[in-house]
Amino acid sequence: GAGVSQSPRYKVAKRGQDVALRCDPISGHVSLFWYQQALGQGPEFLTYFQNEAQLDKSGLPSDRFFAERPEGSVSTLKIQRTQQEDSAVYLCASFPGQGFYNSPLHFGNGTRLTVT
Amino acid sequence: KQEVTQIPAALSVPEGENLVLNCSFTDSAIYNLQWFRQDPGKGLTSLLLIQSSQREQTSGRLNASLDKSSGRSTLYIAASQPGDSATYLCAVEASGSARQLTFGSGTQLTVLP
Repeated sequence: GAGVSQSPRYKVAKRGQDVALRCDPISGHVSLFWYQQALGQGPEFLTYFQNEAQLDKSGLPSDRFFAERPEGSVSTLKIQRTQQEDSAVYLCASFPGQGFYNSPLHFGNGTRLTVT
Repeated sequence: KQEVTQIPAALSVPEGENLVLNCSFTDSAIYNLQWFRQDPGKGLTSLLLIQSSQREQTSGRLNASLDKSSGRSTLYIAASQPGDSATYLCAVEASGSARQLTFGSGTQLTVLP
């Protein structure tokens, strides 16, 4: 079956613009994660959903960042009033959910956001 | 706060060599440790996952070990090939963290033909 799909692959935004990044997890995967990866660094956790419930948003860097998953499948990460420090690759990951701990996460190819 | 360090940051080896990548973490209360591969412009591909109760995992030419008490893991790649060139990332999952991973910065590996 298809893997985790993210769109767009690349996004260039002018400082101050709002952006929306989309993630389509693997069908049936209950759990969904967003990570932010700065150039030359490892990914850093942003937020976690179980179905439509956002159970952990402790990694969101500011209140300009907002994530939703209204129907428990597709998720959108929205960044308002983008700043240059928001430039990074945004990765989405999913896994089947409860009972599948110790199985690997499945990552998408990411969206590379460049704020000019 | 968990911190994960990977050494070296970059490594270049001739084809056919065996090599070891190192990962260390500061908090030994982990649920598992994972090694990922990342190719340029791509997402992460899971290579090996070692549960906290395990000492090592093997897949093909890859072998990962875990010493939880000392906070260390190694990824051993046998008979390296140019196709192994990528960035290798180590990540730990803390106990009770609902699968939140803490990553190292990675080792960029180049295997020269």
